[in-house]
Amino acid sequence: DGGITQSPKYLFRKEGQNVTLSCEQNLNHDAMYWYRQDPGQGLRLIYYSQIVNDFQKGDIAEGYSVSREKKESFPLTVTSAQKNPTAFYLCASRSGGASGELFFGEGSRLTVL
Amino acid sequence: GQNIDQPTEMTATEGAIVQINCTYQTSGFNGLFWYQQHAGEAPTFLSYNVLDGLEEKGRFSSFLSRSKGYSYLLLKELQMKDSASYLCAGNNAGNMLTFGGGTRLMVKP
Repeated sequence: DGGITQSPKYLFRKEGQNVTLSCEQNLNHDAMYWYRQDPGQGLRLIYYSQIVNDFQKGDIAEGYSVSREKKESFPLTVTSAQKNPTAFYLCASRSGGASGELFFGEGSRLTVL
Repeated sequence: GQNIDQPTEMTATEGAIVQINCTYQTSGFNGLFWYQQHAGEAPTFLSYNVLDGLEEKGRFSSFLSRSKGYSYLLLKELQMKDSASYLCAGNNAGNMLTFGGGTRLMVKP
């Protein structure tokens, strides 16, 4: 079945450590996105990529990094520079066109100890 | 840029009808999405409107007025499982989505 797979689902990190969240899709979508969601809040865009080997900063990119070496994969690294990394992280992909909906992975919940 | 506003919380009774409003201000409007998100889960797509009017899909309908920068999601015959957050998202000319803060709907027996 086509879809988006995020891992891990839960992750604990000590302060000062970098962590990488995995996102893989087999929907053959060009565009992929990373969002952050805090409790009771909407989604805020961290980074997005509209094509392989290219990505752009979103609204809250500071303290995060990404790569897009393959169409299927868009990993997100939460670096030690991110001051408040505890959050729910959602990866999504989207087919082309204005009416194309976002397809989301199940999310990764990061907790900094 | 885009600005999306929706109420933070709403409460309704099982079997009733509820309307969740969303107002938007966007440069180069290119459609509006509604998503449903249960606690701790990923959002799932409900509807997309780009033309004025009402789109009906079973118990859920979505309305758009481009001249007023306004949309609503209408949920009929509410069920307990409809308790969730409902996210409004505007699409701009660059085909980028901006999400509102979400409306948490609580359905009571």
